[in-house]
Amino acid sequence: AQSVTQPDIHITVSEGASLELRCNYSYGATPYLFWYVQSPGQGLQLLLKYFSGDTLVQGIKGFEAEFKRSQSSFNLRKPSVHWSDAAEYFCAVGQGGKLIFGQGTELSVKP
Amino acid sequence: EPEVTQTPSHQVTQMGQEVILRCVPISNHLYFYWYRQILGQKVEFLVSFYNNEISEKSEIFDDQFSVERPDGSNFTLKIRSTKLEDSAMYFCASSDRVKRYEQYFGPGTRLTVT
Repeated sequence: AQSVTQPDIHITVSEGASLELRCNYSYGATPYLFWYVQSPGQGLQLLLKYFSGDTLVQGIKGFEAEFKRSQSSFNLRKPSVHWSDAAEYFCAVGQGGKLIFGQGTELSVKP
Repeated sequence: EPEVTQTPSHQVTQMGQEVILRCVPISNHLYFYWYRQILGQKVEFLVSFYNNEISEKSEIFDDQFSVERPDGSNFTLKIRSTKLEDSAMYFCASSDRVKRYEQYFGPGTRLTVT
């Protein structure tokens, strides 16, 4: 069965520092991959998606992610974190019309 | 920008009671979904709905659960006899027919069963 692993439960970065959130998936074929963000009291907002083609995808709010088939990874990056980026981030893989989510990574940003 | 809405934002109910969670998907979307997130756990798929019938459901979605599109705009999740372990955040999502995986989520309903 397909699965998604986010190894880091909680990450703290300083404002202005770079960020990388890890995501590994298990899937036999080329996966459909997603990153969602959830701010407190809010729903899940789609940050970016990968279906095929260029392995580096750009998303909203200055985020990008790189699909690496050899490592079964789809890590999320941002060059300079803002305090408003503090939230929970979920990686997901599409399977059969539904999304399978990772455990989530909570991001804290310190001033 | 169109968005998915859910009501209520928080529902408290007693064990054994029936609850109905409501969602208004994005108007031109044709696929509808329910997911849930138990506190501290992953977001889990419950059910997908298309063309007035369930297209897929997880093993969590047992006979206690049902979904309905009672009119042209609402999509509901009913839990017939709630259990303590049904306490969770329930998210509704919708997508169009072509981009099924681009699912847009509502803000969620927090269900607390006491």
